[in-house]
Amino acid sequence: QQQVKQSPQSLIVQKGGISIINCAYENTAFDYFPWYQQFPGKGPALLIAIRPDVSEKKEGRFTISFNKSAKQFSLHIMDSQPGDSATYFCAASMIMGNQFYFGTGTSLTVIP
Amino acid sequence: DTEVTQTPKHLVMGMTNKKSLKCEQHMGHRAMYWYKQKAKKPPELMFVYSYEKLSINESVPSRFSPECPNSSLLNLHLHALQPEDSALYLCASSHQGQGVIDTQYFGPGTRLTVL
Repeated sequence: QQQVKQSPQSLIVQKGGISIINCAYENTAFDYFPWYQQFPGKGPALLIAIRPDVSEKKEGRFTISFNKSAKQFSLHIMDSQPGDSATYFCAASMIMGNQFYFGTGTSLTVIP
Repeated sequence: DTEVTQTPKHLVMGMTNKKSLKCEQHMGHRAMYWYKQKAKKPPELMFVYSYEKLSINESVPSRFSPECPNSSLLNLHLHALQPEDSALYLCASSHQGQGVIDTQYFGPGTRLTVL
């Protein structure tokens, strides 16, 4: 059973556009939601993370929006650049736990 | 410093070989993880060590044998692997302390090919 559902599977965006990736979860015990960025042949790198006590967190061009009642969270990449082309994974965990549940990933391509 | 290092970067082995993957972190983290990742898929958890003790084994075949010699090092011993075990093997670590968000930091991975 997939604990975290992620969409879309792939996304193509023009340079300068907004990329939006969505995730949904069922387990209300989850209280930590990181996003990872992975380039081909590399390990996932932590991009940004949020806890459910806030509805939005912004770091540079990257913003997480969190809707606790809907059990959904999303990553927005503003002014998308070709260098943002990568696979993005959302994840969920219990903050004091050591097991991450990953979404299925979104392959983002930003066209120059 | 949030670096997790892994060696080797690439490994090609036959089905009868014995090899080991190594992982190291110097962030003072007390939890370390092995993941397996197939192309275009999310990482799959294999093992978790917490304070140098194996705390999670996700029903991984015995041809994979983890070892945690100390809090900074994690090994994965490989023996009699199958071609379907070819994948990117990722190591991660996290703080695992009271009152600390347990973010996992990943290494660059070892690309394993089993012939």
